[in-house]
Amino acid sequence: GENVEQHPSTLSVQEGDSAVIKCTYSDSASNYFPWYKQELGKRPQLIIDIRSNVGEKKDQRIAVTLNKTAKHFSLHITETQPEDSAVYFCAASRDSGGGADGLTFGKGTHLIIQP
Amino acid sequence: DTGVSQDPRHKITKRGQNVTFRCDPISEHNRLYWYRQTLGQGPEFLTYFQNEAQLEKSRLLSDRFSAERPKGSFSTLEIQRTEQGDSAMYLCASSLADVGGRHGYTFGSGTRLTVV
Repeated sequence: GENVEQHPSTLSVQEGDSAVIKCTYSDSASNYFPWYKQELGKRPQLIIDIRSNVGEKKDQRIAVTLNKTAKHFSLHITETQPEDSAVYFCAASRDSGGGADGLTFGKGTHLIIQP
Repeated sequence: DTGVSQDPRHKITKRGQNVTFRCDPISEHNRLYWYRQTLGQGPEFLTYFQNEAQLEKSRLLSDRFSAERPKGSFSTLEIQRTEQGDSAMYLCASSLADVGGRHGYTFGSGTRLTVV
């Protein structure tokens, strides 16, 4: 089955700086890669996703890059703000055409934005 | 219908008792998923349905766990003979693959199970 590794487990950055979280996956058939933000006691919320037919996707301050050959993908947050503090999870799955299969999640990165 | 609803939000049960959770997905979504999340970990996939058909089950889903989605709308997850190791947050999610390929994979707020 799929295995997703995520690094680092904790990331502390100064407000206004950029943050980068990296993930690797093992199943070459995986083709859907979402990122979720989870605040304490709340549900995971989808912040951005990418499919394997593109290498990069941006949404305002957030971007995701994908290297299918190396089987790794990264989340980039620029101009970080205090409200970006949360746990971020990467995930991977196959999309069989009718929608995503079950997601395999990484262990999460606790992002701390220092004022 | 603005999101995925789960009921109850919290459940405390004695070891050995059976529990059942309910999930109401976003109405136009055709896929419904169950996950389990323990403290400090990412969600772990349990099972998912496309309409009323159960398409995939994780090896984490022991024979004490059963999930149903009888009419392709809401789903129930039952745990029989609960054990302390079953204590976790049980998350439901739903998704739709439209012609643009967007998944809209949305989680509910979860049911927190505590087995004492």
